[in-house]
Amino acid sequence: DVKVTQSSRYLVKRTGEKVFLECVQDMDHENMFWYRQDPGLGLRLIYFSYDVKMKEKGDIPEGYSVSREKKERFSLILESASTNQTSMYLCASRVGGTGQIQPQHFGDGTRLSIL
Amino acid sequence: DQQVKQNSPSLSVQEGRISILNCDYTNSMFDYFLWYKKYPAEGPTFLISISSIKDKNEDGRFTVFLNKSAKHLSLHIVPSQPGDSAVYFCAASGGGSNYKLTFGKGTLLTVNP
Repeated sequence: DVKVTQSSRYLVKRTGEKVFLECVQDMDHENMFWYRQDPGLGLRLIYFSYDVKMKEKGDIPEGYSVSREKKERFSLILESASTNQTSMYLCASRVGGTGQIQPQHFGDGTRLSIL
Repeated sequence: DQQVKQNSPSLSVQEGRISILNCDYTNSMFDYFLWYKKYPAEGPTFLISISSIKDKNEDGRFTVFLNKSAKHLSLHIVPSQPGDSAVYFCAASGGGSNYKLTFGKGTLLTVNP
């Protein structure tokens, strides 16, 4: 079974802090993703990485950055946390390549509160 | 611009009956569709998928139907069980990107014993 592990289930930070959310997958997947989930808005893609050191902006990248130095680890960084970044953050990974459906596998999420 | 729409925020059915969850999309370039199930305090789990070259895919109690001309897909759960109570997300890929999934907002299914 694919295991996607997010370092924290719950996190409370202060406005203006730099926040790091960590995600590790154990299946040697090429692609990794960061989403946020908000009530009534579903899952929205923040950033994704299709390979080590490669990244692309998703639909809502403003206020975030990412780092992927190793294949198994994908970090989401809130440069200067704001209250509107209070949300559930979900990491996912999947096998790379195209031509067939490759589902994304999700971690259990980090509920981040910015005070 | 919402490209994947789940117009029913919630659905309630009796145990043993059929649950039908609906999803509409606007981007004709989408070529793969997936359903995910999400319990509270857990991440979404992959349920079933379908390619645009098919109109039906079945896996046990779960069947997904795709109507490309109507840009509509549906997930049928038969028979429904209380453990199926969760939020169900429809997602689509393709449309110019081989990596991204575009998700709907989800439908909360409640199966009553």
